Amino acid sequence: TQLLEQSPQFLSIQEGENLTVYCNSSSVFSSLQWYRQEPGEGPVLLVTVVTGGEVKKLKRLTFQFGDARKDSSLHITAAQPGDTGLYLCAGVNAGGTSYGKLTFGQGTILTVHP
Amino acid sequence: DTGVSQDPRHKITKRGQNVTFRCDPISEHNRLYWYRQTLGQGPEFLTYFQNEAQLEKSRLLSDRFSAERPKGSFSTLEIQRTEQGDSAMYLCASSPPPGYEQYFGPGTRLTVT
Repeated sequence: TQLLEQSPQFLSIQEGENLTVYCNSSSVFSSLQWYRQEPGEGPVLLVTVVTGGEVKKLKRLTFQFGDARKDSSLHITAAQPGDTGLYLCAGVNAGGTSYGKLTFGQGTILTVHP
Repeated sequence: DTGVSQDPRHKITKRGQNVTFRCDPISEHNRLYWYRQTLGQGPEFLTYFQNEAQLEKSRLLSDRFSAERPKGSFSTLEIQRTEQGDSAMYLCASSPPPGYEQYFGPGTRLTVT
């Protein structure tokens, strides 16, 4: 069974602070995705990382994929209240009848206070 | 592009009743996924369609659950003889060929009393 563990589970910070969320897998996925979900809505894709060691930036968000493709991190610089939400990492299966199937971590609930 | 839609958004039912949810994917997306999410957890995979073919079902999907995608367009998820443990958000996502991006609908929140 493939598992993804995220840490921390909860994060409460002040506006302007930096933060990092970690995602660790028990096995290798073909790629890894990060999603953001707001209450009462479905997850929205932020980024897909594919290559070991890859770094992608999306404005104030920086995503890294570990060299062994089993861990990833999301770093937010100068967090804003609008960043509040549930952040989810998901491993992507590329093979056979599981094509595209996502295995999610349990999520990190981020609250940014003004 | 109107996005993935799900109906109803909320459903309250009594234990033992049957419920059916509908998902309309983005047009021309050939892959459709169902997930279940409980409070404070990430979504869990339930089942997956490529066009009208159901290619995989999770072990989480007991015999009380059935899903269809009869013409390769919309999909339905039916739960028979609902139990309190079925209370959750049921999410549908669709994906275009050939990539891995999944576009999620807003979900159907089921409460079993």
